[in-house]
Amino acid sequence: DAGVIQSPRHEVTEMGQEVTLRCKPISGHNSLFWYRQTMMRGLELLIYFNNNVPIDDSGMPEDRFSAKMPNASFSTLKIQPSEPRDSAVYFCASSAQAGGSYEQYFGPGTRLTVT
Amino acid sequence: KQEVTQIPAALSVPEGENLVLNCSFTDSAIYNLQWFRQDPGKGLTSLLLIQSSQREQTSGRLNASLDKSSGRSTLYIAASQPGDSATYLCAVSPMDSSYKLIFGSGTRLLVRP
Repeated sequence: DAGVIQSPRHEVTEMGQEVTLRCKPISGHNSLFWYRQTMMRGLELLIYFNNNVPIDDSGMPEDRFSAKMPNASFSTLKIQPSEPRDSAVYFCASSAQAGGSYEQYFGPGTRLTVT
Repeated sequence: KQEVTQIPAALSVPEGENLVLNCSFTDSAIYNLQWFRQDPGKGLTSLLLIQSSQREQTSGRLNASLDKSSGRSTLYIAASQPGDSATYLCAVSPMDSSYKLIFGSGTRLLVRP
């Protein structure tokens, strides 16, 4: 299995531009998570999907952030407009089931720099 | 609000030494606890998952213990190797939202040859 796939691996953009991050979860997994990692705040859950439906988006910082999961094999996290404080590493993770004894498998992350 | 703390923040040891990484959490109502490893520029790799009803889990040279009542977990690494150098993260899943992972800030480990 290829694991969780994220693209792009690195993104540099200017303030005010739209940024779209992409994730392909592990085949057969029905839960998908988007996390953000910064030096100041560590790793934080942004949004959780179960069977393609957003279940918990309480971690999404503000309306500039949106996430979709149109099917079981693809999800996007969009920031519009981007700001320098959005600079971070964004991780996507998937699991076979939500919680319980099911481990989350993380992708390699997208390092976003907003100038 | 659940808070997870990891001590020390950084650790440097000579190769071959046994070492212990510490994790504490403020709310004992957890579903499970996981230890992850993160290499620079890479994602997280799950090392061990301990259910709340368990006391410890072992995988190779790694042993993780859980004392839920005192809000503590330790990760024991035996006979450390340079390849163990990485950041180790502890995360707990709250009982009322077991899909969530609340992470500590990590311990950055360097094993010197």
